[in-house]
Amino acid sequence: DAKTTQPNSMESNEEEPVHLPCNHSTISGTDYIHWYRQLPSQGPEYVIHGLTSNVNNRMASLAIAEDRKSSTLILHRATLRDAAVYYCSLYGAGSYQLTFGKGTKLSVIP
Amino acid sequence: DSGVTQTPKHLITATGQRVTLRCSPRSGDLSVYWYQQSLDQGLQFLIHYYNGEERAKGNILERFSAQQFPDLHSELNLSSLELGDSALYFCASSDSGLGGAEQYFGPGTRLTVT
Repeated sequence: DAKTTQPNSMESNEEEPVHLPCNHSTISGTDYIHWYRQLPSQGPEYVIHGLTSNVNNRMASLAIAEDRKSSTLILHRATLRDAAVYYCSLYGAGSYQLTFGKGTKLSVIP
Repeated sequence: DSGVTQTPKHLITATGQRVTLRCSPRSGDLSVYWYQQSLDQGLQFLIHYYNGEERAKGNILERFSAQQFPDLHSELNLSSLELGDSALYFCASSDSGLGGAEQYFGPGTRLTVT
């Protein structure tokens, strides 16, 4: 199964943009890139997903490299409520399963 | 609130025992996924059911089994429990079993084996 690599932790100032990187160099052509986040004592929460093109939704943007070997989750204006562990994960269209990375713990500084 | 419910919230049991964790997916969702989250292993996929049929199996131990019932709720059975089975168990649901579908996670069941 393809794996993802993320920095262990990142910090951001409140109201500034945050770019969370993810490397998935062994991704296959049919794997979807998913991002979830998890607040303390809660289940993971869906953020965004994509296959090849960049995606935007009300929570974030997802920028996918042309070769699909990396992606970046973009939070446009970090708030204190965005402090969480962000997981970059791959859904194998043929394997029907989501494989999570180890996650990036995002701290937001007021 | 994701719309996915899990019971019980907490479970404390002894080694060698058997427990059943229950998950009710969001209304209309046909896929149910089970995950185990521990400090050392992170979030690990266990098993995926779609409309009552097993679709994919991950690193699920032989002591663990699951099923999805006609009303689409799912149960994860853990038997011959060991200390190392202590973890958070999450279920998630999606409307399809395809890669383009977001998964909605329940609040989890915290299992402690003593």
